[in-house]
Amino acid sequence: ETGVTQTPRHLVMGMTNKKSLKCEQHLGHNAMYWYKQSAKKPLELMFVYSLEERVENNSVPSRFSPECPNSSHLFLHLHTLQPEDSALYLCASSQGEASWTIEQFFGPGTRLTVL
Amino acid sequence: AQTVTQSQPEMSVQEAETVTLSCTYDTSESDYYLFWYKQPPSRQMILVIRQEAYKQQNATENRFSVNFQKAAKSFSLKISDSQLGDAAMYFCAYRSGGNSGGSNYKLTFGKGTLLTVNP
Repeated sequence: ETGVTQTPRHLVMGMTNKKSLKCEQHLGHNAMYWYKQSAKKPLELMFVYSLEERVENNSVPSRFSPECPNSSHLFLHLHTLQPEDSALYLCASSQGEASWTIEQFFGPGTRLTVL
Repeated sequence: AQTVTQSQPEMSVQEAETVTLSCTYDTSESDYYLFWYKQPPSRQMILVIRQEAYKQQNATENRFSVNFQKAAKSFSLKISDSQLGDAAMYFCAYRSGGNSGGSNYKLTFGKGTLLTVNP
């Protein structure tokens, strides 16, 4: 596997379910991100992890719970979601703070549908 | 707070012709970076081109070039010799140039422009 991978690619869940999204980066990066992409809206940054420490939580509801066990893996735990949470969830990674390594590399996303 | 505006929800171009996608942004910072990302129907977002605000020279990557007007806060993308594979959603994005603090990781995206390439 190369780049940034995400599983599952598609997920349908009920409002009472608990599920997790997984992201893995194979680029040796030390920063990882979760974005939410809804129709006709700009990408919304949800969480940022740098060196496995959360450095930003962009006012995301507590029904979304991130976890970064190491610099290569990032999870997004979901519970009691609402239909308006249906969206494409994108994971990204970057090398870190240095300005010469600022590009973010994105995964293919997980298409989440909440019934 | 920074904002990024893409005023063209959709654009179309004939194959082999040139198209320009518009982007404007609002910031009070002098040091920042601007990006164009492409998201094809497969959904993998990929970087097309980037521009450092301190550089006056416009960035170029093969058929892709930008027109960066710092004073006007404008950052348009020109695609020359358009190909069918260029069809995608294009996002303009802004990143602060600072190197400290979690907020400097943040990319602020526009809403995107859907580009259709007609054969």
